[in-house]
Amino acid sequence: GAGVSQSPRYKVAKRGQDVALRCDPISGHVSLFWYQQALGQGPEFLTYFQNEAQLDKSGLPSDRFFAERPEGSVSTLKIQRTQQEDSAVYLCASSLSAIITVRGGSYNEQFFGPGTRLTVL
Amino acid sequence: SQQGEEDPQALSIQEGENATMNCSYKTSINNLQWYRQNSGRGLVHLILIRSNEREKHSGRLRVTLDTSKKSSSLLITASRAADTASYFCATWNSGGYQKVTFGIGTKLQVIP
Repeated sequence: GAGVSQSPRYKVAKRGQDVALRCDPISGHVSLFWYQQALGQGPEFLTYFQNEAQLDKSGLPSDRFFAERPEGSVSTLKIQRTQQEDSAVYLCASSLSAIITVRGGSYNEQFFGPGTRLTVL
Repeated sequence: SQQGEEDPQALSIQEGENATMNCSYKTSINNLQWYRQNSGRGLVHLILIRSNEREKHSGRLRVTLDTSKKSSSLLITASRAADTASYFCATWNSGGYQKVTFGIGTKLQVIP
């Protein structure tokens, strides 16, 4: 496809259920990011992959959150035992490469998917 | 945590007027970007200004950056109803990889 796609677009879960959110990045994009956007707020960083390697997971709010990208392409964000505070839009973004090879070097734009709106009841 | 704070948080103007949004950030940056988000097109990158630049234009958009005050402004001239959206500033911090940190956003409504 031409852009980043995410599925499902909407997910309603009962508290305590596990959910899995999928991201298909733009073909050839090495870097992949997950963000969480609460209502009325800006996106907040969750985790970052360079190919299949998860290089930064400092933004994951708890050990109930787990992300993987086993073949360096599609990524899945899994949330176990969902809580009401997990309700948010989860955004995925990809870019050619996020590695800074030269200090102040060129910036590769991140392209965002439409997001998955998760509602936990 | 959010890096930037946009001001105002909400703005309502008439079509044809100019809209100005401000952003303040906390740490040193390599560049600052502005994004637009609406329900139709999701989050879209608008413009990037590097830390050694003071002003940049793109169509009806004008961005300024003052690194001494750690602030930036986005001006949209001759606004249109289609400009109705939330606008976020985002920074890419020095070092490591291109980790983008977003502000809390300004919600702009352009009334036809």
